[in-house]
Amino acid sequence: KAGVTQTPRYLIKTRGQQVTLSCSPISGHRSVSWYQQTPGQGLQFLFEYFSETQRNKGNFPGRFSGRQFSNSRSEMNVSTLELGDSALYLCASSPDPLAGGPENEQFFGPGTRLTVL
Amino acid sequence: GESVGLHLPTLSVQEGDNSIINCAYSNSASDYFIWYKQESGKGPQFIIDIRSNMDKRQGQRVTVLLNKTVKHLSLQIAATQPGDSAVYFCAVMDSSYKLIFGSGTRLLVRP
Repeated sequence: KAGVTQTPRYLIKTRGQQVTLSCSPISGHRSVSWYQQTPGQGLQFLFEYFSETQRNKGNFPGRFSGRQFSNSRSEMNVSTLELGDSALYLCASSPDPLAGGPENEQFFGPGTRLTVL
Repeated sequence: GESVGLHLPTLSVQEGDNSIINCAYSNSASDYFIWYKQESGKGPQFIIDIRSNMDKRQGQRVTVLLNKTVKHLSLQIAATQPGDSAVYFCAVMDSSYKLIFGSGTRLLVRP
């Protein structure tokens, strides 16, 4: 079974631009979560989508948004990029994190490394 | 809200020794805990999890211990190998079902 894939793997943008990152979950997984990872703040939860609906949201400004498609693939968008948005953006999929037991396991993709100049 | 802290940013161990990585959490109502391993250039990889109705859970060469009284979680790796070198994160699921991660401990294995 293929793992979580994220595209692109690396991205360089300049301040003020916007960016869209893509995540394809493991086949059959309906939940996709996004995290931002930086050396200073560590891994921080951005949002979670399940069946095309945002079910959970972290403490990030409205410049960060996302969506999920009917095939469970997800995209996140960051508008008006700032230098501080430089980070590794990770996507994780699971059958349903609200379920108990093994269904809680989230599988992470390799991430998209975003650099804002 | 929930917060998660790791005790040591770096841990250096001799190959073959046992490693213990510690983590503390703040919310006594937390129910689900996970350890992840992240190698350079990769996303976090699930190692082992434990629910609050258990004190101990064992996997292959790894054991997670949960002490709910002092809100402490630890990961023990037996017979540490060079391939175990990575950053280890503990994560706690909060009341809204999102994962709160600790800052990570870098495990260095000396040959």
